[in-house]
Amino acid sequence: EVQLVASGGGLVQPGGSLRLSCAASGFAFSTYAVTWVRQAPGRGLEWVSAITASGITTYYTDSVKGRFTVSRDNSKSTLYLQMNSLRVDDTAVYFCAKASSREFGLGSYLNYWGQGTLVTVSS
Amino acid sequence: DIQMTQSPSTLSASVGDRVTITCRASQSISSWLAWYQQKPGRAPKLLIYKASSLETGVPSRFSGSGSGTEFTLTISSLQPDDFATYYCQQYSSYFQTFGQGTKLEIK
Repeated sequence: EVQLVASGGGLVQPGGSLRLSCAASGFAFSTYAVTWVRQAPGRGLEWVSAITASGITTYYTDSVKGRFTVSRDNSKSTLYLQMNSLRVDDTAVYFCAKASSREFGLGSYLNYWGQGTLVTVSS
Repeated sequence: DIQMTQSPSTLSASVGDRVTITCRASQSISSWLAWYQQKPGRAPKLLIYKASSLETGVPSRFSGSGSGTEFTLTISSLQPDDFATYYCQQYSSYFQTFGQGTKLEIK
């Protein structure tokens, strides 16, 4: 059974940092791209960042470029999101999701999602 | 960025009804479209990919159609478990975007 378990969320002040983790199991983690998608309270889904299976290529939405860094450790089947310079509008539930292929983008949909971890940025 | 627009935003229906949700892309995305179902406090669940392919384990009352810029998700006979929010998503490039969601409510 595919499982993705996100953790690391919490309350942080504006300008602070958090590191999210997503532990994967039930599939060959090193052969699939993975991604982060967030959902602000009461709002829709917003793609945030992604990383290819090899970890060589990363992608970010414009609003987090330069502040967030996505990485993965294939030996631990774990995805990470380092979030720096956090802003109030980063407040959201952050979901990790498995892509359907090793690359991310054209043809790569999200076939499994973790339960999400809540990040609250507030003073 | 490719904008995805869903309609309606809210849909009230009864068990047994046939319902259709529409998703329009701001430019052609071929068939690179997925549909997800999300229930309150839960992660999204994949229903349909490549516009019309049913994900394994998803009931056959769900179907998708369309290509280019206009797509539909149809539920042929609503069941109590289907009341949720539905999102379309384009994956024609790395910058994947979602529609704003359609909340399916019990009439």
